[in-house]
Amino acid sequence: GAVVSQHPSWVICKSGTSVKIECRSLDFQATTMFWYRQFPKQSLMLMATSNEGSKATYEQGVEKDKFLINHASLTLSTLTVTSAHPEDSSFYICSALAGGHYPNEQFFGPGTRLTVL
Amino acid sequence: KQEVTQIPAALSVPEGENLVLNCSFTDSAIYNLQWFRQDPGKGLTSLLLIQSSQREQTSGRLNASLDKSSGRSTLYIAASQPGDSATYLCAVRENRDDKIIFGKGTRLHILP
Repeated sequence: GAVVSQHPSWVICKSGTSVKIECRSLDFQATTMFWYRQFPKQSLMLMATSNEGSKATYEQGVEKDKFLINHASLTLSTLTVTSAHPEDSSFYICSALAGGHYPNEQFFGPGTRLTVL
Repeated sequence: KQEVTQIPAALSVPEGENLVLNCSFTDSAIYNLQWFRQDPGKGLTSLLLIQSSQREQTSGRLNASLDKSSGRSTLYIAASQPGDSATYLCAVRENRDDKIIFGKGTRLHILP
Protein backbone atom coordinates (compact mmCIF):
# COMPACT_ATOMS: atom_id res chain seq x y z
CA GLY A 1 0.00 0.00 0.00
CA ALA A 2 0.88 3.67 -0.10
CA VAL A 3 3.12 5.05 2.66
CA VAL A 4 2.54 8.00 4.94
CA SER A 5 5.24 9.24 7.29
CA GLN A 6 5.09 11.51 10.30
CA HIS A 7 7.85 13.49 11.93
CA PRO A 8 8.72 13.54 14.72
CA SER A 9 7.56 10.20 16.09
CA TRP A 10 7.62 11.63 19.59
CA VAL A 11 8.26 15.01 21.15
CA ILE A 12 8.48 16.36 24.68
CA CYS A 13 8.13 20.08 25.19
CA LYS A 14 7.61 22.63 27.90
CA SER A 15 4.24 24.23 28.49
CA GLY A 16 3.79 27.36 26.40
CA THR A 17 5.97 26.30 23.49
CA SER A 18 4.80 25.48 19.98
CA VAL A 19 5.31 22.12 18.30
CA LYS A 20 5.12 21.33 14.58
CA ILE A 21 4.22 17.87 13.33
CA GLU A 22 4.74 16.91 9.68
CA CYS A 23 2.70 14.44 7.67
CA ARG A 24 4.05 13.32 4.30
CA SER A 25 2.68 11.05 1.62
CA LEU A 26 5.82 9.38 0.31
CA ASP A 27 4.78 7.76 -2.94
CA PHE A 28 1.53 9.44 -3.87
CA GLN A 29 -0.08 12.84 -3.99
CA ALA A 30 -2.80 13.67 -1.52
CA THR A 31 -5.07 16.63 -2.03
CA THR A 32 -6.78 15.80 1.25
CA MET A 33 -5.21 14.85 4.55
CA PHE A 34 -6.85 14.32 7.91
CA TRP A 35 -5.54 14.96 11.42
CA TYR A 36 -6.73 12.78 14.29
CA ARG A 37 -6.04 12.86 18.00
CA GLN A 38 -6.12 9.91 20.38
CA PHE A 39 -6.11 10.21 24.16
CA PRO A 40 -5.05 7.22 26.28
CA LYS A 41 -7.44 4.31 25.99
CA GLN A 42 -9.73 6.34 23.75
CA SER A 43 -10.42 6.06 20.06
CA LEU A 44 -9.21 8.35 17.33
CA MET A 45 -11.14 11.58 16.98
CA LEU A 46 -10.93 13.71 13.86
CA MET A 47 -9.55 17.19 14.50
CA ALA A 48 -9.52 18.68 11.04
CA THR A 49 -9.54 18.05 7.32
CA SER A 50 -6.65 19.56 5.43
CA ASN A 51 -7.02 20.40 1.74
CA GLU A 52 -4.07 21.41 -0.40
CA GLY A 53 -4.11 25.08 -1.21
CA SER A 54 -7.05 26.00 0.98
CA LYS A 55 -7.96 26.50 4.60
CA ALA A 56 -8.46 23.48 6.81
CA THR A 57 -11.90 22.49 8.03
CA TYR A 58 -12.01 21.98 11.78
CA GLU A 59 -14.33 19.71 13.72
CA GLN A 60 -16.57 21.19 16.35
CA GLY A 61 -14.71 21.94 19.55
CA VAL A 62 -11.26 22.10 17.95
CA GLU A 63 -9.63 25.52 18.20
CA LYS A 64 -8.32 26.55 14.81
CA ASP A 65 -6.04 29.20 16.30
CA LYS A 66 -4.43 26.65 18.59
CA PHE A 67 -4.03 23.86 16.06
CA LEU A 68 -2.67 25.46 12.92
CA ILE A 69 -2.79 23.35 9.80
CA ASN A 70 -0.88 24.07 6.60
CA HIS A 71 -1.23 21.90 3.51
CA ALA A 72 1.23 23.69 1.25
CA SER A 73 1.92 20.88 -1.20
CA LEU A 74 0.33 17.68 -2.46
CA THR A 75 2.63 15.59 -0.28
CA LEU A 76 2.93 17.58 2.95
CA SER A 77 0.59 18.77 5.66
CA THR A 78 1.74 20.23 8.96
CA LEU A 79 -0.01 20.55 12.29
CA THR A 80 1.35 23.15 14.70
CA VAL A 81 0.20 23.00 18.30
CA THR A 82 0.63 26.55 19.52
CA SER A 83 1.23 27.44 23.17
CA ALA A 84 1.00 23.79 24.12
CA HIS A 85 -0.33 22.82 27.54
CA PRO A 86 -0.29 19.49 29.38
CA GLU A 87 -3.87 18.78 28.31
CA ASP A 88 -2.65 18.79 24.70
CA SER A 89 -0.53 15.73 25.44
CA SER A 90 -1.87 13.08 23.12
CA PHE A 91 -1.14 10.82 20.18
CA TYR A 92 -1.60 12.67 16.89
CA ILE A 93 -2.14 10.64 13.72
CA CYS A 94 -2.55 11.87 10.18
CA SER A 95 -4.02 10.14 7.18
CA ALA A 96 -3.84 10.91 3.49
CA LEU A 97 -6.50 10.29 0.87
CA ALA A 98 -4.98 8.45 -2.08
CA GLY A 99 -6.00 8.13 -5.69
CA GLY A 100 -4.51 6.22 -8.58
CA HIS A 101 -3.98 2.58 -7.66
CA TYR A 102 -5.73 3.11 -4.33
CA PRO A 103 -8.74 5.23 -5.25
CA ASN A 104 -10.15 7.06 -2.29
CA GLU A 105 -8.43 4.88 0.28
CA GLN A 106 -6.97 6.57 3.35
CA PHE A 107 -3.51 5.65 4.52
CA PHE A 108 -2.41 6.43 8.05
CA GLY A 109 0.87 7.70 9.38
CA PRO A 110 2.58 6.02 12.34
CA GLY A 111 1.58 8.79 14.71
CA THR A 112 3.36 11.39 16.84
CA ARG A 113 3.27 11.21 20.62
CA LEU A 114 3.28 14.67 22.16
CA THR A 115 4.04 15.12 25.83
CA VAL A 116 3.77 18.61 27.27
CA LEU A 117 5.43 19.11 30.64
CA LYS B 1 -24.68 11.73 13.39
CA GLN B 2 -22.84 8.50 12.72
CA GLU B 3 -21.72 6.56 15.77
CA VAL B 4 -19.64 3.41 15.83
CA THR B 5 -19.84 1.00 18.75
CA GLN B 6 -17.61 -1.97 19.43
CA ILE B 7 -18.41 -4.85 21.73
CA PRO B 8 -16.77 -6.14 23.83
CA ALA B 9 -14.44 -3.39 25.00
CA ALA B 10 -11.90 -5.99 26.11
CA LEU B 11 -11.49 -9.70 25.58
CA SER B 12 -9.08 -12.34 26.86
CA VAL B 13 -9.05 -15.78 25.31
CA PRO B 14 -6.67 -18.76 25.36
CA GLU B 15 -4.39 -19.26 22.40
CA GLY B 16 -5.88 -21.32 19.59
CA GLU B 17 -9.47 -20.24 20.03
CA ASN B 18 -11.56 -18.72 17.30
CA LEU B 19 -13.12 -15.39 18.22
CA VAL B 20 -15.49 -12.74 16.96
CA LEU B 21 -15.32 -8.99 17.46
CA ASN B 22 -18.46 -6.97 16.90
CA CYS B 23 -19.01 -3.54 15.44
CA SER B 24 -22.23 -1.63 14.92
CA PHE B 25 -22.93 1.72 13.28
CA THR B 26 -26.00 3.90 13.48
CA ASP B 27 -26.32 5.15 9.89
CA SER B 28 -26.32 2.43 7.25
CA ALA B 29 -25.48 4.86 4.43
CA ILE B 30 -21.74 4.18 4.46
CA TYR B 31 -19.10 4.25 1.72
CA ASN B 32 -16.94 1.57 3.29
CA LEU B 33 -16.00 -0.06 6.57
CA GLN B 34 -12.49 -0.83 7.71
CA TRP B 35 -10.91 -2.86 10.47
CA PHE B 36 -7.59 -1.72 11.92
CA ARG B 37 -5.14 -3.11 14.40
CA GLN B 38 -3.30 -0.85 16.83
CA ASP B 39 -0.47 -2.02 19.04
CA PRO B 40 0.20 -0.08 22.28
CA GLY B 41 1.70 3.31 21.55
CA LYS B 42 1.78 2.63 17.82
CA GLY B 43 -0.06 3.75 14.72
CA LEU B 44 -2.73 1.91 12.77
CA THR B 45 -2.40 -1.15 10.58
CA SER B 46 -5.23 -1.65 8.12
CA LEU B 47 -6.48 -5.24 8.24
CA LEU B 48 -9.50 -5.39 5.98
CA LEU B 49 -11.54 -2.88 4.02
CA ILE B 50 -15.07 -3.70 2.90
CA GLN B 51 -16.75 -1.53 0.32
CA SER B 52 -20.44 -0.82 0.82
CA SER B 53 -21.34 -3.15 -2.04
CA GLN B 54 -19.41 -6.07 -0.55
CA ARG B 55 -20.46 -8.48 2.16
CA GLU B 56 -17.11 -9.78 3.36
CA GLN B 57 -13.36 -9.72 2.97
CA THR B 58 -10.79 -12.31 3.97
CA SER B 59 -7.09 -12.12 4.65
CA GLY B 60 -5.33 -15.13 6.09
CA ARG B 61 -6.91 -15.99 9.45
CA LEU B 62 -9.07 -12.88 9.38
CA ASN B 63 -12.55 -12.58 7.95
CA ALA B 64 -14.70 -9.48 8.14
CA SER B 65 -18.37 -9.38 7.26
CA LEU B 66 -20.62 -6.43 6.59
CA ASP B 67 -24.39 -6.25 6.91
CA LYS B 68 -25.06 -2.69 5.92
CA SER B 69 -28.82 -2.83 6.32
CA SER B 70 -28.56 -3.83 9.96
CA GLY B 71 -25.53 -1.63 10.61
CA ARG B 72 -23.24 -4.42 11.72
CA SER B 73 -19.85 -5.87 11.00
CA THR B 74 -17.93 -8.71 12.57
CA LEU B 75 -14.25 -9.53 12.54
CA TYR B 76 -13.56 -13.22 12.84
CA ILE B 77 -10.09 -14.34 13.93
CA ALA B 78 -9.34 -18.01 13.50
CA ALA B 79 -6.83 -19.98 15.57
CA SER B 80 -5.79 -17.01 17.66
CA GLN B 81 -2.12 -16.49 18.53
CA PRO B 82 -0.39 -14.40 21.22
CA GLY B 83 0.82 -12.09 18.45
CA ASP B 84 -2.80 -11.18 17.75
CA SER B 85 -2.92 -9.31 21.06
CA ALA B 86 -3.69 -5.68 20.21
CA THR B 87 -6.55 -3.22 20.02
CA TYR B 88 -8.85 -3.72 17.06
CA LEU B 89 -10.62 -0.67 15.71
CA CYS B 90 -13.68 -0.62 13.49
CA ALA B 91 -14.18 2.48 11.37
CA VAL B 92 -16.69 3.66 8.78
CA ARG B 93 -16.53 6.25 6.05
CA GLU B 94 -19.77 7.79 4.94
CA ASN B 95 -18.65 9.42 1.73
CA ARG B 96 -15.82 8.97 -0.74
CA ASP B 97 -13.89 12.04 0.39
CA ASP B 98 -15.06 12.10 3.96
CA LYS B 99 -13.52 11.51 7.33
CA ILE B 100 -13.33 8.11 8.96
CA ILE B 101 -15.34 7.60 12.14
CA PHE B 102 -13.80 5.19 14.60
CA GLY B 103 -15.20 2.99 17.30
CA LYS B 104 -13.49 2.88 20.68
CA GLY B 105 -11.93 -0.46 19.91
CA THR B 106 -11.73 -3.91 21.44
CA ARG B 107 -8.59 -4.67 23.46
CA LEU B 108 -7.73 -8.28 22.72
CA HIS B 109 -5.39 -10.35 24.86
CA ILE B 110 -4.49 -13.84 23.71
CA LEU B 111 -3.25 -15.97 26.59
CA PRO B 112 -0.30 -18.26 25.78
